[in-house]
Amino acid sequence: AAGVIQSPRHLIKEKRETATLKCYPIPRHDTVYWYQQGPGQDPQFLISFYEKMQSDKGSIPDRFSAQQFSDYHSELNMSSLELGDSALYFCASSLRQRLGEQYFGPGTRLTVT
Amino acid sequence: QKEVEQNSGPLSVPEGAIASLNCTYSDRVSQSFFWYRQYSGKSPELIMSIYSNGDKEDGRFTAQLNKASQYVSLLIRDSQPSDSATYLCAVNYGQNFVFGPGTRLSVLP
Repeated sequence: AAGVIQSPRHLIKEKRETATLKCYPIPRHDTVYWYQQGPGQDPQFLISFYEKMQSDKGSIPDRFSAQQFSDYHSELNMSSLELGDSALYFCASSLRQRLGEQYFGPGTRLTVT
Repeated sequence: QKEVEQNSGPLSVPEGAIASLNCTYSDRVSQSFFWYRQYSGKSPELIMSIYSNGDKEDGRFTAQLNKASQYVSLLIRDSQPSDSATYLCAVNYGQNFVFGPGTRLSVLP
């Protein structure tokens, strides 16, 4: 079965640079979520999209933005990167009516140096 | 502030024993509850969902929900070393979804 695809899997950036993470949800899933997970921490919800519209917003910094495109893939754009942005970034997808049953992608490990 | 609490562990159990993982939540309105398993460096994986009071069994896993006590638990029978992972409790508050901090389980051979 098709799973959530994320790219790139690893990314190294310097402080103050920008980064773009991509997510391709499971086909027919209408809701996409982004999470940030620091070392030893639980996943922190950043933002979600339902049918290409922003649905909910969590602890996403103002330096970050995200969108969902017509083909349902989503991109998380991160600017003015800081050392503290180093983390695993997960994308997950679900059906809206079963939003707790989320399927996670493998994650993008972002390292800011 | 919606909260989901778990003991961080580590919880160590011998192989073949029952592992009991607990989770409490702060909002009585919550309707849906989930357990995710996360191996180190990997993404969370949904293993159980429970929506009504009582027990729900799936193989070696049993989820228990008590809404009056705002408590949900996960029992793992015949624990195996491959069950060693962090177990995240998650609660659905309307359109919001909150993870607990996770309990690290270590099953000792």
